[in-house]
Amino acid sequence: AQKITQTQPGMFVQEKEAVTLDCTYDTSDPSYGLFWYKQPSSGEMIFLIYQGSYDQQNATEGRYSLNFQKARKSANLVISASQLGDSAMYFCAMRQHNTDKLIFGTGTRLQVFP
Amino acid sequence: NAGVTQTPKFQVLKTGQSMTLQCAQDMNHEYMSWYRQDPGMGLRLIHYSVGAGITDQGEVPNGYNVSRSTTEDFPLRLLSAAPSQTSVYFCACAAGSSGANVLTFGAGSRLTVL
Repeated sequence: AQKITQTQPGMFVQEKEAVTLDCTYDTSDPSYGLFWYKQPSSGEMIFLIYQGSYDQQNATEGRYSLNFQKARKSANLVISASQLGDSAMYFCAMRQHNTDKLIFGTGTRLQVFP
Repeated sequence: NAGVTQTPKFQVLKTGQSMTLQCAQDMNHEYMSWYRQDPGMGLRLIHYSVGAGITDQGEVPNGYNVSRSTTEDFPLRLLSAAPSQTSVYFCACAAGSSGANVLTFGAGSRLTVL
């Protein structure tokens, strides 16, 4: 069975600093995809970044990068140069390629302070 | 281009009442799904569909029914609402069910069952 674990219920970071949000996963399928979504206080779900299990390089999208450590089964999100607008809930999710299900973790609430 | 439209945005029900949450998408996406979001639980998959006429259960399907008669619509039915179904419900769709296909979410529907 696939499982996503986010152990940090909340994180604080000062503006302009970098922050890492942890995500570990469990799967027996060698082929899978990992996603990060952002949910601001307004409630919408915003896709941030994707990493495939066979991708050779860590994914990057602007200030977002994914620290993918396959052997450790971790897919941590790194946000560089934090901005006040980064304050939100962040969800890690995984889809095994032998299923049609995208399973989410419980999320981490990030607060950026000036 | 509206994307994913959910109605209603808010609903209050009494225990035992039935209702349908509507979800419509105009992206011609094959994959559609319903999630519920509860504090501390993240997003949990209720039901999903990989195409018209095909539906399957997710992590928490009990108390909910779905159907997929067209590509565009994926309604979620609560036959006899219970207080435990108080939650925020999200409909999401993707071009496909595998690989890097990104879920696009609706704005959410907040349901309160008294």
